[in-house]
Amino acid sequence: AQSVAQPEDQVNVAEGNPLTVKCTYSVSGNPYLFWYVQYPNRGLQFLLKYITGDNLVKGSYGFEAEFNKSQTSFHLKKPSALVSDSALYFCAVRDEKAAGNKLTFGGGTRVLVKP
Amino acid sequence: GAVVSQHPSWVICKSGTSVKIECRSLDFQATTMFWYRQFPKQSLMLMATSNEGSKATYEQGVEKDKFLINHASLTLSTLTVTSAHPEDSSFYICSAMFQTNSGNTIYFGEGSWLTVV
Repeated sequence: AQSVAQPEDQVNVAEGNPLTVKCTYSVSGNPYLFWYVQYPNRGLQFLLKYITGDNLVKGSYGFEAEFNKSQTSFHLKKPSALVSDSALYFCAVRDEKAAGNKLTFGGGTRVLVKP
Repeated sequence: GAVVSQHPSWVICKSGTSVKIECRSLDFQATTMFWYRQFPKQSLMLMATSNEGSKATYEQGVEKDKFLINHASLTLSTLTVTSAHPEDSSFYICSAMFQTNSGNTIYFGEGSWLTVV
C-alpha cells in the first residue's frame, strides 16, 4: 500500500521568507513523488516530480523539493516566498510496484504568504 | 507542459437529470485518465481509472452505474453523473497520464463544479 502524509494543515510565512511544506510517504517499493499546487476553484498544477537521480529536484515557479530516502520525506521548498504562492499544495506518491499508475494524495497544506 | 482540458467548468442541473463532463488531453495521447472528486477544503478522492478502449476501473465504494465513464479515444474521457442528486454536488477533476522517456507525469484538468438543485 502507498500513503502520503502532510502533517501541516496550514503554513503561514511572510513574503520574502523561506517556505517549506512537509511531506512524508510510505511505499513498499521505490517511490515516484510529485508536488501539485491548487488555486481556488481551479484544478491542480504540476510543480515537480522525483522519479530517480538527484535528490534535489527543481520545478516550476522557483520551487524545489528534496528527496530523503532515509527519512521517507519529500519536502517542498522555496527560498523566498511570494504573496502569489498562497494556495493549496498537495504531495502525491506512486509506488513503482503498484499497478495502475494511481497516485495517492496527501491531505493538502494551505500556504498563506503575508505581505 | 502537457495540457488537459475539462468541460464544462461549471454546471447546474436539476435533481434526477444526468450531466456529462468531458476531459481532453489537448497535445498528447492518454491511454489512462483518472477521475477525482474533491469536497471543499479536502484532498482529492480517486473515483476511477479510465482506460482507453476498455472498461473503467472503479475505486471501492464508487457506484459504477451512477458515475459512468467512457474513454472513447486517446484524447477524450467522459464522466456522466446519472440521476444526479444534491449530494453529488462537488468539484470533479480529471487527470491524464503523459508518458515520456523520463517517466510518467500526470496532468490535471481545471476541474468542473457540479451543483445539483
